[in-house]
Formats: sequence, C-alpha cells, structure tokens
Amino acid sequence: NAGVMQNPRHLVRRRGQEARLRCSPMKGHSHVYWYRQLPEEGLKFMVYLQKENIIDESGMPKERFSAEFPKEGPSILRIQQVVRGDSAAYFCASSPMAGDYEQYFGPGTRLTVT
Amino acid sequence: GQQVMQIPQYQHVQEGEDFTTYCNSSTTLSNIQWYKQRPGGHPVFLIQLVKSGEVKKQKRLTFQFGEAKKNSSLHITATQTTDVGTYFCAGGKNSGGSNYKLTFGKGTLLTVNP
Repeated sequence: NAGVMQNPRHLVRRRGQEARLRCSPMKGHSHVYWYRQLPEEGLKFMVYLQKENIIDESGMPKERFSAEFPKEGPSILRIQQVVRGDSAAYFCASSPMAGDYEQYFGPGTRLTVT
Repeated sequence: GQQVMQIPQYQHVQEGEDFTTYCNSSTTLSNIQWYKQRPGGHPVFLIQLVKSGEVKKQKRLTFQFGEAKKNSSLHITATQTTDVGTYFCAGGKNSGGSNYKLTFGKGTLLTVNP
C-alpha cells in the first residue's frame, strides 16, 4: 500500500529556470495539499486541490507559482523563473476527504536554486 | 490571519526526563493535529483532537486540547532517544464549511542525550 509519492526528491535549478514538482497521493485519496518548509520553520500552506479543481490557493504567491491536479496523473507544482528565495522543501500531503482528517505527507522535494 | 505559536523552539533533555511542548492559537480552532518530523524526514501524523478539554494518550505521549480550543500541549514521559525530532502542532479552522486548512506552528525540536 504505497504512501504519498513525490519526485524528484532533490532538485537543483539555476536562477530563471523552471521547477516542476510531482506528487502522487495515496490510493483512494482525491485531496492534495502543498506546503513549503524553510529551514527551522513550520510548514506553510500553499494550495489545496481536488481532482481537476483548485479549491484554495490563498497561500501560493500570485506570480510564478501554479498548481494542478489533472484527472489522470500526479499533482504538479510548477515554479517558473526560480529565484534563490524559492529554495526550500516542498511537501505534498493527501487525505481521503476534506475536513477533520489527518493528512499523509510525502517525503518532500528539496529544491535548491543556485 | 490565524497564527499558531509554539514553544519552546528547542528542548534538550537527558534520556528519561519528561518533555512538554505548548501550542497557542490566536483564534478558536475546530481541531488540532500533532505531527512529528525526524531530521531529514517528513511530517508524520500523531493525533487529532477535536473536543474542548479533550485528552488523549498514546503510550508515553499525552495530548491535551484546551477548554477554549485555542491551546494544546504534548507531553512525553520518560523520553527515549527514539523521540528525537521536531514536533509540530497544526490548527484547523472552519473556513467556509471545511476544516482542511491547517496552520502549523514552527515546531519544537527535541534532542535527547543518551
């Protein structure tokens, strides 16, 4: 029973390049959340998606960041024209339903912008 | 916006000593969840509290939710080296009928000296 999968685990990008982070939720989960974690910080909510729908993107920067969760395939967090400040760990979590349910986290993608 | 404060930021104990971390929200919460993150790892769900004044135990771990549903604590009795990690609280607030949005505290990093 595979858990939440994220790839790549580590990603190095130069300033100005694009970063694509992928997340496959647990089997049977249709709710996906993306968080960003800076060193010695908590997790910051970015976006919440259901299949083909963005439900809440209030935590996501208005520019350069976008997310999708297509009908088929993984959820993707895309960061265009990366800057050094985008360096962080990006975690994806999934849950079977929204509301008072635990969220299952993936192993994260560590993004380094050089 | 909603803020969740967590103290202390760091705690170093001798193996066998007790440990407590505290979590305070600026607003009333619908639920509070606790997660543990090992160094280099991802957050792992520990427990969820929903009711005012609720107390739950998991072996050596005791979780409490305040009467006003604005604060919570995690207490570990007789720490072991396997307890090392960062403990995060995450508050859920009813937002438009859905409690999915978690606001994480910055976490308490626990280190244990054997």
